[in-house]
Formats: sequence, C-alpha cells, structure tokens
Amino acid sequence: AQTVTQSQPEMSVQEAETVTLSCTYDTSESDYYLFWYKQPPSRQMILVIRQEAYKQQNATENRFSVNFQKAAKSFSLKISDSQLGDAAMYFCAYRRPNSKLTFGKGITLSVRP
Amino acid sequence: DVKVTQSSRYLVKRTGEKVFLECVQDMDHENMFWYRQDPGLGLRLIYFSYDVKMKEKGDIPEGYSVSREKKERFSLILESASTNQTSMYLCASSLTGQGAGYEQYFGPGTRLTVT
Repeated sequence: AQTVTQSQPEMSVQEAETVTLSCTYDTSESDYYLFWYKQPPSRQMILVIRQEAYKQQNATENRFSVNFQKAAKSFSLKISDSQLGDAAMYFCAYRRPNSKLTFGKGITLSVRP
Repeated sequence: DVKVTQSSRYLVKRTGEKVFLECVQDMDHENMFWYRQDPGLGLRLIYFSYDVKMKEKGDIPEGYSVSREKKERFSLILESASTNQTSMYLCASSLTGQGAGYEQYFGPGTRLTVT
C-alpha cells in the first residue's frame, strides 16, 4: 500500500523568508502524480502544485516550487518570500493513475510578521 | 469558477440519529469523494463514486453509506451516528480520464459533532 509521510507536524517561518516542507512517499509504481494541497483556516482545501512522476523538471507555481527526487521518493515544497496568507495546513498527496489520493497527515505552517 | 458546496458548515446531532451530509458540484465532474479529517490523521477516504449510482468503499467505510442519484450530488449517510464519528467531513470532486492526474476540488467542509 502506498503511504505518504510528513514527519514534521508544525513549522514556522518569518515573513519574506523561505521555508521548505518535506514529504516522502512509498510506492513501487513508476507512473504517478504528487500534489501539495493548502488548507487555510477557512478550511477550503486548494491545490498548490502538482508534479507528474514522468517529468524530470520540478514544477513551479509563482512563489511555490517543488524538489522532486524520484529515486529518494521525496517531494518537498519550497515557499519563497513567505506571506502572512501562506499560513495554513499543507498536505502532501500521492495518486496512481485512475486511483485514489493518499494524503499525508499534514503540516501546520505559521508565518511570523 | 469551480464550486463544490456542502449543505452545512456546522452540525450537531445526537447519538443514534440518522445524519445526511449533502455535497453538490457544478463542474460536471464524474468523480466525487467523501473524506473525514481528524487531527494527526490527515484525510481519510470514506467512499467515492465515479458515476451516477456507482460507489466504491474507501479506507474507512464502516458506519457510513453514500448515495449518488444525480451526477452533481453525492450524499454521505450516517445510519446511526456515534460519538466517534465526530469529525470534519470534506467532499471533493474531480474529472476522470486517461491518467487522471486531475486535481480534486474540495468543499468547505462540515464540522459534525455527535453528542
């Protein structure tokens, strides 16, 4: 069974600084998708960034980028120039093609002004 | 804009009551999902549906059932609510298709308390 591990329950970052959230996963598949979701205090979960396993290039969305290490089964999220609105719970998730999403336990990120 | 709505943000029910949680999406998505979210446990899949009248058990289906009579609506039913079903319930929907690396769109969640 696939598992997704987010080992740190909480992190804190100073506004305007950079923070990296870690995620590892366990799979024997070669074709899959990885996601980072953000859940702000208002609770509506939204997609931050997606990575297809067959793509070697790391995905980037504005201030958000990933470090995808397929051999190490690692998928970390880097947030640059952190803003107060980045404070939220972040979930890493894995999905095989046409299968269900498996989520990590999440990490709570706080941003200090 | 993509929209997934849930019938209630907060709900308080008594032990033994039958509880209905409703979810509606307006994106013509084939797939719909029900999760529960508990601190320290992340999101766990209860049931999902890939078509009208079709359903599949997720990781924790015990104590729950679902109904999907129309494509846009997916209901979660607690036949006899118990205190251990106190939780946050999230509904989501997504497209289907080859690869299906499509994102899931989430509703705002329903905080259910069973007393």
